[in-house]
Amino acid sequence: EIVMTQSPATLSVSPGERATLSCRASQSISSFLAWYQQKPGQPPRLLIYDASTRATGIPAKFSGSGSGTEFTLTISSLQSEDFAVYYCHQYFNWPMCSFGQGTKLEIK
Amino acid sequence: QLQLQESGPGLVKTSETLSLTCTVSGGSISSSSYYWGWIRQPPGKGLEWIGSIYYSGRTYHNPSLKSRVTISIDTSKNQFSLKLSSVTAADTAVYYCARDSSSDSSDNYFDYWGQGTLVTVSS
Repeated sequence: EIVMTQSPATLSVSPGERATLSCRASQSISSFLAWYQQKPGQPPRLLIYDASTRATGIPAKFSGSGSGTEFTLTISSLQSEDFAVYYCHQYFNWPMCSFGQGTKLEIK
Repeated sequence: QLQLQESGPGLVKTSETLSLTCTVSGGSISSSSYYWGWIRQPPGKGLEWIGSIYYSGRTYHNPSLKSRVTISIDTSKNQFSLKLSSVTAADTAVYYCARDSSSDSSDNYFDYWGQGTLVTVSS
């Protein structure tokens, strides 16, 4: 089983600043990684796939990077609607897949 | 626009079987391009993949759920379903259905999700 570990669990950032979220895989997953945003009472929303490709309709303020075991989601110029929980998701060993435990991005 | 909608009982008794259906609209579940999946999220916790199904009926499920999971598909109704047997309080969660963006071992992220349905397991 591939274990995904996200850090930090909670990240406090001021509006207008940049947030950097991390995700680590327990073994190499190449670039088979997606990022999702989830707001309270809503399903996850796909932001990034293949580690760095933005999904349809996702603004350029969201960017993903990394490969192998270390990945980063960067969100620039934070606005109120960006404060949410973010999950990484590996699909390297399809059909099995696994998610990180989430990072809560909160307003500082 | 593709839409998915979960339906089923919100309350299931301990040791019984949880049954949910996902109805897909705005697209065909018979497409050879996608798998269709179930994911759950216990209250206040993270996401767990339960299993996925192809239009042909081929299924995969999370080994952690052992043999309790059954996923089926009804292409005539554009629906797929989940059954989880011998439920306990640990199975209380929001259950989501979602589209797997690929039909093979590449790009298997979930690009469309239902709104989710809370299922509570209680005696």
